[in-house]
Amino acid sequence: EIVLTQSPGTLSLSPGERATLSCRASQSVSSRFLAWYQQKPDQAPRLLIYGASSRATGIPDRFSGSGSGTDFTLTISRLEPEDFAVYYCQQYGSSPSMYTFGQGTKLEIK
Amino acid sequence: EVQLVESGGGLVQPGRSLRISCTASGFTFGDYAMSWVRQAPGKGLEWVGFIRSKAYGGTTEYAASVKGRFTISRDDSKSIAYLQMNSLKTEDTAVYYCTREGWLQPYFDYWGQGTLVTVSS
Repeated sequence: EIVLTQSPGTLSLSPGERATLSCRASQSVSSRFLAWYQQKPDQAPRLLIYGASSRATGIPDRFSGSGSGTDFTLTISRLEPEDFAVYYCQQYGSSPSMYTFGQGTKLEIK
Repeated sequence: EVQLVESGGGLVQPGRSLRISCTASGFTFGDYAMSWVRQAPGKGLEWVGFIRSKAYGGTTEYAASVKGRFTISRDDSKSIAYLQMNSLKTEDTAVYYCTREGWLQPYFDYWGQGTLVTVSS
């Protein structure tokens, strides 16, 4: 089973700064099968990025995804106040667990 | 507008059963695979299982942690997906989210608001 490890666990930044979040897989993942989600307190997660680099509908262009193989990155170019949340990466693979999530990165206001 | 609305959560004793539902609207439900994802209090996301569309056999897959205890089904005529949970354990306590899978794509493009299932004596 592929394990996704996100880093850092918590990232403290100020509005206007650039955020770089990492997702590392224990073995190679097809870029087509890598997605990122944002979750705010007491809300359901929201799809941000799919296929490693494609923005979902309605997602601002300050969000971008990149990477391949075992290393993937979510970048937020200029943080807005509404961007402070928890971010999860997710991959699709084979059994025993077809979908796995990283443990999350909490992006907090510095 | 795509909407997913879960219902049926609540407090249940260990070892008992519970069925939760997901009512969909705003899209052709029968064309999409549907997944359930859960989140224990203060924890991360865990995929529970999914059901393919009838066009792809309507078959199901489950996470190892629930396999043999949980069953996902669907009623396309009513646009409802179900999660039948048997032999519940305290560690099944979580918010359960219904999700729509992207069109033939392995991600979750729409999520319900979630329903809390608490397993406790």
